[in-house]
Amino acid sequence: DAKTTQPNSMESNEEEPVHLPCNHSTISGTDYIHWYRQLPSQGPEYVIHGLTSNVNNRMASLAIAEDRKSSTLILHRATLRDAAVYYCILSLYNQGGKLIFGQGTELSVKP
Amino acid sequence: KAGVTQTPRYLIKTRGQQVTLSCSPISGHRSVSWYQQTPGQGLQFLFEYFSETQRNKGNFPGRFSGRQFSNSRSEMNVSTLELGDSALYLCASSSAGMSNTEAFFGQGTRLTVV
Repeated sequence: DAKTTQPNSMESNEEEPVHLPCNHSTISGTDYIHWYRQLPSQGPEYVIHGLTSNVNNRMASLAIAEDRKSSTLILHRATLRDAAVYYCILSLYNQGGKLIFGQGTELSVKP
Repeated sequence: KAGVTQTPRYLIKTRGQQVTLSCSPISGHRSVSWYQQTPGQGLQFLFEYFSETQRNKGNFPGRFSGRQFSNSRSEMNVSTLELGDSALYLCASSSAGMSNTEAFFGQGTRLTVV
Protein backbone atom coordinates (compact mmCIF):
# COMPACT_ATOMS: atom_id res chain seq x y z
CA ASP A 1 0.00 0.00 0.00
CA ALA A 2 1.13 3.54 -0.66
CA LYS A 3 2.61 5.23 2.38
CA THR A 4 4.48 8.36 3.37
CA THR A 5 7.04 8.52 6.15
CA GLN A 6 8.04 11.68 8.01
CA PRO A 7 10.09 12.35 11.14
CA ASN A 8 7.89 12.89 14.19
CA SER A 9 9.49 16.20 15.13
CA MET A 10 12.11 18.71 14.09
CA GLU A 11 13.53 21.82 15.64
CA SER A 12 14.77 24.98 13.97
CA ASN A 13 16.11 28.37 14.91
CA GLU A 14 14.28 31.49 13.85
CA GLU A 15 15.41 32.98 10.52
CA GLU A 16 17.28 29.83 9.53
CA PRO A 17 16.24 27.51 6.67
CA VAL A 18 14.32 24.34 7.49
CA HIS A 19 14.31 21.17 5.43
CA LEU A 20 11.40 18.80 6.17
CA PRO A 21 11.84 15.37 4.56
CA CYS A 22 9.22 12.89 3.37
CA ASN A 23 9.74 9.40 2.00
CA HIS A 24 7.19 7.92 -0.41
CA SER A 25 8.97 4.99 -1.99
CA THR A 26 5.79 3.43 -3.47
CA ILE A 27 4.76 6.56 -5.39
CA SER A 28 3.74 6.08 -8.99
CA GLY A 29 4.51 8.43 -11.84
CA THR A 30 1.13 10.15 -11.79
CA ASP A 31 0.74 10.69 -8.03
CA TYR A 32 0.95 14.28 -6.81
CA ILE A 33 2.86 15.28 -3.67
CA HIS A 34 1.18 17.83 -1.43
CA TRP A 35 2.25 19.58 1.76
CA TYR A 36 -0.13 21.10 4.26
CA ARG A 37 0.50 22.46 7.74
CA GLN A 38 -1.72 22.61 10.77
CA LEU A 39 -1.57 25.03 13.66
CA PRO A 40 -3.17 24.13 17.01
CA SER A 41 -6.96 24.25 16.97
CA GLN A 42 -7.08 25.02 13.25
CA GLY A 43 -7.71 23.09 10.06
CA PRO A 44 -4.76 22.30 7.80
CA GLU A 45 -3.47 25.04 5.53
CA TYR A 46 -2.13 24.49 2.01
CA VAL A 47 1.60 24.99 1.59
CA ILE A 48 2.65 23.64 -1.81
CA HIS A 49 2.25 20.72 -4.22
CA GLY A 50 4.08 19.24 -7.19
CA LEU A 51 4.39 16.28 -9.53
CA THR A 52 7.92 15.95 -10.89
CA SER A 53 9.70 19.28 -10.99
CA ASN A 54 10.78 21.40 -8.06
CA VAL A 55 8.19 24.02 -7.15
CA ASN A 56 8.45 27.42 -5.50
CA ASN A 57 5.83 29.73 -4.08
CA ARG A 58 5.77 32.60 -1.61
CA MET A 59 5.56 30.23 1.37
CA ALA A 60 8.07 27.52 0.56
CA SER A 61 9.89 25.39 -1.99
CA LEU A 62 9.33 21.73 -2.78
CA ALA A 63 12.28 19.67 -3.90
CA ILE A 64 11.36 16.34 -5.47
CA ALA A 65 13.99 13.65 -5.88
CA GLU A 66 14.73 12.51 -9.41
CA ASP A 67 13.27 9.04 -8.71
CA ARG A 68 10.32 10.72 -6.90
CA LYS A 69 10.69 8.39 -3.93
CA SER A 70 11.27 11.28 -1.58
CA SER A 71 10.67 15.00 -1.34
CA THR A 72 11.72 17.87 0.89
CA LEU A 73 9.75 20.90 1.95
CA ILE A 74 12.02 23.90 2.36
CA LEU A 75 11.11 26.92 4.47
CA HIS A 76 13.72 29.47 3.54
CA ARG A 77 13.67 31.54 6.75
CA ALA A 78 11.71 30.03 9.62
CA THR A 79 9.64 32.37 11.75
CA LEU A 80 7.85 31.67 15.03
CA ARG A 81 4.59 31.56 13.07
CA ASP A 82 5.90 28.56 11.09
CA ALA A 83 5.70 26.35 14.18
CA ALA A 84 3.10 23.75 13.19
CA VAL A 85 2.59 20.12 12.19
CA TYR A 86 3.58 19.63 8.54
CA TYR A 87 1.86 16.87 6.56
CA CYS A 88 3.21 15.23 3.43
CA ILE A 89 0.33 13.85 1.37
CA LEU A 90 0.15 11.70 -1.74
CA SER A 91 -2.75 11.83 -4.16
CA LEU A 92 -2.98 8.43 -5.85
CA TYR A 93 -3.99 8.95 -9.47
CA ASN A 94 -4.72 5.26 -10.15
CA GLN A 95 -7.07 5.13 -7.18
CA GLY A 96 -9.19 8.07 -8.20
CA GLY A 97 -7.12 10.61 -6.33
CA LYS A 98 -7.28 8.81 -2.97
CA LEU A 99 -5.23 10.72 -0.43
CA ILE A 100 -2.55 9.17 1.76
CA PHE A 101 -1.37 11.27 4.72
CA GLY A 102 1.88 10.98 6.58
CA GLN A 103 1.86 11.16 10.37
CA GLY A 104 3.18 14.68 10.17
CA THR A 105 6.30 16.41 11.45
CA GLU A 106 5.88 18.74 14.38
CA LEU A 107 8.16 21.70 13.74
CA SER A 108 9.20 23.89 16.64
CA VAL A 109 11.00 27.17 16.04
CA LYS A 110 13.27 28.66 18.66
CA PRO A 111 13.75 32.43 18.87
CA LYS B 1 -14.58 35.86 0.56
CA ALA B 2 -15.98 33.61 3.27
CA GLY B 3 -14.01 30.50 4.16
CA VAL B 4 -15.16 26.94 4.71
CA THR B 5 -17.78 26.74 7.44
CA GLN B 6 -18.41 23.63 9.49
CA THR B 7 -21.28 23.22 11.91
CA PRO B 8 -21.57 22.47 14.68
CA ARG B 9 -18.13 23.09 16.14
CA TYR B 10 -18.64 20.68 19.02
CA LEU B 11 -20.91 17.69 19.56
CA ILE B 12 -21.40 15.14 22.30
CA LYS B 13 -23.29 11.99 21.39
CA THR B 14 -24.05 8.69 23.03
CA ARG B 15 -22.83 5.36 21.70
CA GLY B 16 -25.36 3.90 19.27
CA GLN B 17 -26.77 7.25 18.18
CA GLN B 18 -26.25 8.79 14.77
CA VAL B 19 -24.88 12.21 13.90
CA THR B 20 -24.92 14.58 10.92
CA LEU B 21 -22.20 17.13 10.32
CA SER B 22 -22.44 20.00 7.85
CA CYS B 23 -19.90 21.72 5.63
CA SER B 24 -20.43 24.84 3.54
CA PRO B 25 -17.62 25.24 0.99
CA ILE B 26 -16.15 28.41 -0.43
CA SER B 27 -18.46 29.96 -2.99
CA GLY B 28 -17.82 28.52 -6.43
CA HIS B 29 -16.03 25.41 -5.19
CA ARG B 30 -17.56 22.16 -6.38
CA SER B 31 -15.39 19.66 -4.52
CA VAL B 32 -15.82 18.85 -0.83
CA SER B 33 -13.67 16.30 0.98
CA TRP B 34 -14.07 14.92 4.49
CA TYR B 35 -11.33 13.77 6.88
CA GLN B 36 -11.14 12.22 10.31
CA GLN B 37 -8.35 13.28 12.65
CA THR B 38 -7.46 11.36 15.80
CA PRO B 39 -4.31 11.37 17.95
CA GLY B 40 -3.64 7.71 17.18
CA GLN B 41 -4.38 7.51 13.45
CA GLY B 42 -3.66 11.08 12.40
CA LEU B 43 -5.50 12.49 9.38
CA GLN B 44 -7.47 9.97 7.34
CA PHE B 45 -9.42 10.59 4.16
CA LEU B 46 -13.09 9.69 4.32
CA PHE B 47 -14.56 10.67 0.95
CA GLU B 48 -14.77 13.36 -1.68
CA TYR B 49 -17.83 14.74 -3.42
CA PHE B 50 -17.80 16.67 -6.67
CA SER B 51 -20.95 18.10 -8.24
CA GLU B 52 -23.19 15.95 -6.00
CA THR B 53 -21.36 12.69 -6.85
CA GLN B 54 -19.04 10.74 -4.59
CA ARG B 55 -15.79 10.63 -6.51
CA ASN B 56 -13.35 9.06 -4.04
CA LYS B 57 -13.68 7.00 -0.89
CA GLY B 58 -11.29 6.08 1.90
CA ASN B 59 -11.18 2.90 3.96
CA PHE B 60 -14.01 3.51 6.40
CA PRO B 61 -17.00 1.28 7.21
CA GLY B 62 -20.40 1.87 5.67
CA ARG B 63 -21.57 3.61 8.85
CA PHE B 64 -19.83 6.67 7.45
CA SER B 65 -21.73 8.25 4.59
CA GLY B 66 -22.11 11.60 2.99
CA ARG B 67 -23.89 13.60 0.37
CA GLN B 68 -23.57 16.85 -1.49
CA PHE B 69 -26.36 19.19 -2.47
CA SER B 70 -26.79 21.22 -5.64
CA ASN B 71 -25.37 24.30 -3.89
CA SER B 72 -22.22 22.26 -3.08
CA ARG B 73 -22.94 22.15 0.65
CA SER B 74 -22.13 18.73 2.04
CA GLU B 75 -23.24 16.63 4.96
CA MET B 76 -21.53 13.68 6.58
CA ASN B 77 -23.49 11.12 8.57
CA VAL B 78 -22.21 8.55 11.02
CA SER B 79 -24.68 5.92 12.18
CA THR B 80 -24.48 3.61 15.20
CA LEU B 81 -21.76 5.67 16.83
CA GLU B 82 -18.87 3.90 18.55
CA LEU B 83 -16.48 5.29 21.14
CA GLY B 84 -13.71 5.13 18.54
CA ASP B 85 -15.56 7.60 16.33
CA SER B 86 -14.58 10.38 18.72
CA ALA B 87 -12.45 12.65 16.57
CA LEU B 88 -12.07 15.98 14.85
CA TYR B 89 -13.91 15.85 11.52
CA LEU B 90 -12.57 18.24 8.92
CA CYS B 91 -13.90 19.19 5.56
CA ALA B 92 -12.05 20.86 2.74
CA SER B 93 -13.28 22.56 -0.39
CA SER B 94 -11.53 23.13 -3.68
CA SER B 95 -12.45 24.17 -7.17
CA ALA B 96 -11.61 20.86 -8.84
CA GLY B 97 -10.58 18.37 -6.18
CA MET B 98 -7.55 18.03 -3.95
CA SER B 99 -5.69 15.76 -6.39
CA ASN B 100 -3.82 18.58 -8.06
CA THR B 101 -5.21 21.84 -6.68
CA GLU B 102 -5.16 23.76 -3.43
CA ALA B 103 -7.80 22.87 -0.85
CA PHE B 104 -9.17 25.06 1.93
CA PHE B 105 -10.05 23.45 5.24
CA GLY B 106 -12.67 24.39 7.79
CA GLN B 107 -11.93 24.46 11.51
CA GLY B 108 -13.59 21.12 12.05
CA THR B 109 -16.30 19.59 14.17
CA ARG B 110 -15.11 18.00 17.41
CA LEU B 111 -17.25 14.89 18.01
CA THR B 112 -17.14 13.16 21.36
CA VAL B 113 -18.93 9.82 21.77
CA VAL B 114 -19.68 8.78 25.34
